[in-house]
Amino acid sequence: TQLLEQSPQFLSIQEGENLTVYCNSSSVFSSLQWYRQEPGEGPVLLVTVVTGGEVKKLKRLTFQFGDARKDSSLHITAAQTGDTGLYLCAGAWGGATNKLIFGTGTLLAVQP
Amino acid sequence: ETGVTQSPTHLIKTRGQQVTLRCSSQSGHNTVSWYQQALGQGPQFIFQYYREEENGRGNFPPRFSGLQFPNYSSELNVNALELDDSALYLCASSLKGGSPYEQYFGPGTRLTVT
Repeated sequence: TQLLEQSPQFLSIQEGENLTVYCNSSSVFSSLQWYRQEPGEGPVLLVTVVTGGEVKKLKRLTFQFGDARKDSSLHITAAQTGDTGLYLCAGAWGGATNKLIFGTGTLLAVQP
Repeated sequence: ETGVTQSPTHLIKTRGQQVTLRCSSQSGHNTVSWYQQALGQGPQFIFQYYREEENGRGNFPPRFSGLQFPNYSSELNVNALELDDSALYLCASSLKGGSPYEQYFGPGTRLTVT
């Protein structure tokens, strides 16, 4: 059973378009992180959201944490070819072992 | 740059062999976690080490083991390799008790088992 479902799995868009990636769970997380991963490399942390309803902006990227802290979204405005990559959400429950539970991933391809 | 390094970058092994992967954590981080990432999937938690002891384990068999050293570097050992062990192995360093909790990943080791 996958605890964190991401949608869509794949997305191919033209440069300049907007897009939204969703991360959904039935579990409540103490925090949720978004990563971007390029082929052959490790995930790079983009943002951490902690408070229900929180919205964070990173240039053209907007991240939102659901009010109940079970879901999150990533919105990219005016996508660029450099945004291409695998986007992963990861939830943390806290506690003694603060492992990350990763989502299924969204593979984004931005065409010039 | 996360300050987390891993070696080797790529590795090819034969089924039944043993392998050791290495990780150097970000300076000041006292916790290291290891993840396995199969092609096209999100990383899966293997285990975590804190103060040189295992501090939690995912759904992986005992042939996956680890070590953490006083300088916070760490190793992942896999015995009796199987074809399904082929994956990208990632280590991530973090500070236990940090708030919010964040992990920083190395570039990974690509293991191919033939």
